[in-house]
Order: sequence, then C-alpha cells, then structure tokens
Amino acid sequence: ETGVTQSPTHLIKTRGQQVTLRCSSQSGHNTVSWYQQALGQGPQFIFQYYREEENGRGNFPPRFSGLQFPNYSSELNVNALELDDSALYLCASSLAGMVSYEQYFGPGTRLTVT
Amino acid sequence: GDSVTQMEGPVTLSEEAFLTINCTYTATGYPSLFWYVQYPGEGLQLLLKATKADDKGSNKGFEATYRKETTSFHLEKGSVQVSDSAVYFCALNTNQAGTALIFGKGTTLSVSS
Repeated sequence: ETGVTQSPTHLIKTRGQQVTLRCSSQSGHNTVSWYQQALGQGPQFIFQYYREEENGRGNFPPRFSGLQFPNYSSELNVNALELDDSALYLCASSLAGMVSYEQYFGPGTRLTVT
Repeated sequence: GDSVTQMEGPVTLSEEAFLTINCTYTATGYPSLFWYVQYPGEGLQLLLKATKADDKGSNKGFEATYRKETTSFHLEKGSVQVSDSAVYFCALNTNQAGTALIFGKGTTLSVSS
C-alpha cells in the first residue's frame, strides 16, 4: 500500500509570486484534503476535493485554489503570495463513506515566503 | 462552532513516567475523535481513534476513551519512552461529507532518559 506523498519538500518564494504544491493520495483513497499548519499551531483546513470537485472549504481566500485529477492526485495553488502564507502545507487522503472519515497525511511541503 | 481544546505544553517527563494529555471538545452531533502525532520535521501520523461514546482507542501503548458525558478524549500512556517525544494533536471530525478534521493547538511532549 502506497502512502500519501507530497512534492516538493521545501520551497522558497517571493511575496506576490504564485506556487503549486502537489499531492498523491494513498492507494484506494478518493478524497483529498489540504491543511495549512503555521509554526506552533494545529493544522487549519483549506479545502477538500472529491470526484474532482471541491466539496468543502475552510476560511481561506479565493487565491487558494485546487484541483483533483482522475487518479485522485491533487494540486494546491496559491496566488499573490503573502508573508503569512509561510507554513507547512499538509495533504491528507481518505475514503469517502468510511464511518470515521479518518484521514492519512503526507509529510508536507514547507513553504517560505520572503 | 465545533472546536477542540488541549492542555498547553510543553509536557516534560522522565522515561517510564505516566503520561496524560487532556483534550476536550465541542461539537454538535456525534463526532469521531482522533489523536495524531507529529515528529520533528514530519507530517501527522494517526495514533488512535474512537468513533462512538465509550469507545477506547489504543495503539503503541497509548489509550484514549471517548467520554460523551464530559466531552473528553484524554490521551494516556503508562510508561513513556524517549522516542515518544513529539507533538500530539487531538482532533475531531463531524462525520459529514466535505468536512474537515478540527485540530487542537497541539501539546509538545519531551521525554528525557
């Protein structure tokens, strides 16, 4: 069974730039969620994708957008980067219909905005 | 809204000491409850879960019981090891499609030999 993978591991961008982060789901999972974890904080929900459509969103502005592909992999795109976007971005996969909707996380992408 | 409150850390223990990390929640309905662990520089790993009242989740010597009457899900371990040093997150999920995990702020555990 293949776990959740994310790329790249680390990324440094300049304020105002755009960034794309990538995630491959755990084998057999059809739902992907993205979280932002600021230093010293718990993860905050950005959005969730199921069957290639966004089906849930947290309190993040529209410049945070995403995609899910037919193979259930996913991208997180952030436009007009701000310094406060510096964080660990976590992708989690799950199987819709599971009683507990438990989610399995990838290792994360560390984004630094300067 | 739904929320999770964890005891603030850091928690510093000697090896073989007893561990308790308190977690309480606020949620409508009947959420599922989780403990995740994050080792330095890594993502989150699911440690244990409970999906209904009075369920006990357990893994690697850690245990937590879903107490609906006190809305709590405290994490315990009878004898901690240095390798247990990490950040522990309590989380809930309301079991509705499209909903996310709601996390506490995390509790840092440091175990010394």
